[in-house]
Amino acid sequence: DAGVTQSPTHLIKTRGQQVTLRCSPISGHKSVSWYQQVLGQGPQFIFQYYEKEERGRGNFPDRFSARQFPNYSSELNVNALLLGDSALYLCASSLAFATNEKLFFGSGTQLSVL
Amino acid sequence: ILNVEQSPQSLHVQEGDSTNFTCSFPSSNFYALHWYRWETAKSPEALFVMTLNGDEKKKGRISATLNTKEGYSYLYIKGSQPEDSATYLCAYDYKLSFGAGTTVTVRA
Repeated sequence: DAGVTQSPTHLIKTRGQQVTLRCSPISGHKSVSWYQQVLGQGPQFIFQYYEKEERGRGNFPDRFSARQFPNYSSELNVNALLLGDSALYLCASSLAFATNEKLFFGSGTQLSVL
Repeated sequence: ILNVEQSPQSLHVQEGDSTNFTCSFPSSNFYALHWYRWETAKSPEALFVMTLNGDEKKKGRISATLNTKEGYSYLYIKGSQPEDSATYLCAYDYKLSFGAGTTVTVRA
């Protein structure tokens, strides 16, 4: 079975641009979460979607948005990119929306903002 | 914002030795405590999810304990092997607030 897939793997953008990151969950998983990971810190929660509804949002500005599609794949959009948005963006899927569900992570998208 | 603290930040272990490290979290409104292993150039991999005070989980040579009343969890590695080298992350609460991790390096 395929794991969580993310695309692209690497991305270089300039300040002010917009970016879209994509995530395909494990087949059968209905929940997708997004995390931002900066070197030296743990992953920071951005969004969780379950059954195409937003179920949680972390402490990120409105420049960050996401959606989940009927096939449970998800996109994370970031507008008006700042240098500080440079990070590894991780997507994780789980069967359901519950705190005791294990997360299955993708390999991430490394975003560099110049 | 919920603070999850992991200590130490890093440790070096001789092959064959055992080691342990700590995850501290707020003891109020506890939901679940997760442990993940993140090897270089790979994705984080779930090790354990613990929900009850006193929980003990084991996977091969790795085990974990949970104390929700005092807000800490220990991860133990018995007889460390080079393949145990990784960053170990703990995460707390339904939005999974992650700690910064403990990076373990096992020397052959």
